Amino acid sequence: GIQVEQSPPDLILQEGANSTLRCNFSDSVNNLQWFHQNPWGQLINLFYIPSGTKQNGRLSATTVATERYSLLYISSSQTTDSGVYFCAVERSDSWGKLQFGAGTQVVVTP
Amino acid sequence: SAVISQKPSRDICQRGTSLTIQCQVDSQVTMMFWYRQQPGQSLTLIATANQGSEATYESGFVIDKFPISRPNLTFSTLTVSNMSPEDSSIYLCSFAGGGTSGYNEQFFGPGTRLTVL
Repeated sequence: GIQVEQSPPDLILQEGANSTLRCNFSDSVNNLQWFHQNPWGQLINLFYIPSGTKQNGRLSATTVATERYSLLYISSSQTTDSGVYFCAVERSDSWGKLQFGAGTQVVVTP
Repeated sequence: SAVISQKPSRDICQRGTSLTIQCQVDSQVTMMFWYRQQPGQSLTLIATANQGSEATYESGFVIDKFPISRPNLTFSTLTVSNMSPEDSSIYLCSFAGGGTSGYNEQFFGPGTRLTVL
């Protein structure tokens, strides 16, 4: 199956700092999504981004499909950004089936 | 996008018993899925819930352990059968086909946190 690798596994940030999370995948994909899992376990959709660049407030994401990676940028981090960030991909020949990375645990300190 | 809910939100069960989890979407969607998240781990796809036919299971998951129903385009159930402590996980349902960004964008329910004693 497709491999999805996220880095770093853990990240500790001071409030106001910027950071970049990376997602590498091993095969061509139909879909790539970034999620934020909050401390209550809810998965929040951040970006649907199989290619290109998108921005939403302090967050932005870029996927370079030809090079099989995606980046999630967090700017001016806030304590509410704490949680686990997951990258998930849908392989081109497996419609609808998301393969998740192991996640990046982010802690933002005041 | 459509709103998705799950019941129960959490439960504590005795080993050997079964629990049925319900997933409801407030509009008709094409695809529904069930995932498991073991403690401290990522999400793993259990199966695709097919409307009007048997679910399609991923490697390592079988129908006898995780029977799934999908009687219509808005509702699905997952049963965790003959539970053991190893089944303690968060179980999440999701749907695809109702997003504005892409036809295959997936959205997740709030999850069911299951503890088996």
